[in-house]
Amino acid sequence: TQLLEQSPQFLSIQEGENLTVYCNSSSVFSSLQWYRQEPGEGPVLLVTVVTGGEVKKLKRLTFQFGDARKDSSLHITAAQPGDTGLYLCAGEAGNEKLTFGTGTRLTIIP
Amino acid sequence: GAGVSQSPSNKVTEKGKDVELRCDPISGHTALYWYRQRLGQGLEFLIYFQGNSAPDKSGLPSDRFSAERTGESVSTLTIQRTQQEDSAVYLCASSSIAGVSYEQYFGPGTRLTVT
Repeated sequence: TQLLEQSPQFLSIQEGENLTVYCNSSSVFSSLQWYRQEPGEGPVLLVTVVTGGEVKKLKRLTFQFGDARKDSSLHITAAQPGDTGLYLCAGEAGNEKLTFGTGTRLTIIP
Repeated sequence: GAGVSQSPSNKVTEKGKDVELRCDPISGHTALYWYRQRLGQGLEFLIYFQGNSAPDKSGLPSDRFSAERTGESVSTLTIQRTQQEDSAVYLCASSSIAGVSYEQYFGPGTRLTVT
């Protein structure tokens, strides 16, 4: 069974601070995706990383795929209240199905 | 429609009744997924369709749960003899195998409350 553990599970920080969320597994994934879910809505895809060591930037969000394609991180610079939500990583292992992580619930305090 | 839609958005039912949840995927998406999300938790995989067939039903929690998909479009998730533990948000997602790495597009979910 493939498992994706995210840490921290909960994170509450002040507006303007930086933060990093981690997504770790013992399994290798063909690709890894990050989603953000806001209350009352479905998850929305933020980014897909495919190559080991790949780094992608989306405004203040930086995503990195580990060299061995077993882990990933999401770094947010100068967090804003609009970044509040549940962040989910999801790995695809070539079986047309995603394995979702345990989730990180992020709260940015104005 | 541009995105995945689900109906109803909210459903309150009495314990023991059957419920049917509907998902309309993005047009042309051949893959469709159902997930369950309990309050404050992550996504629990239920079932996956590729076209009209379901290669992976491993997440269905019991034989009270079933799902079907017709015409490579609409899917329905049926829960028979509902129990209070079935209370959750049920999310549907669709994906195109022609896309990148099976990126999934989610609907807003159906919030099911069993009283």
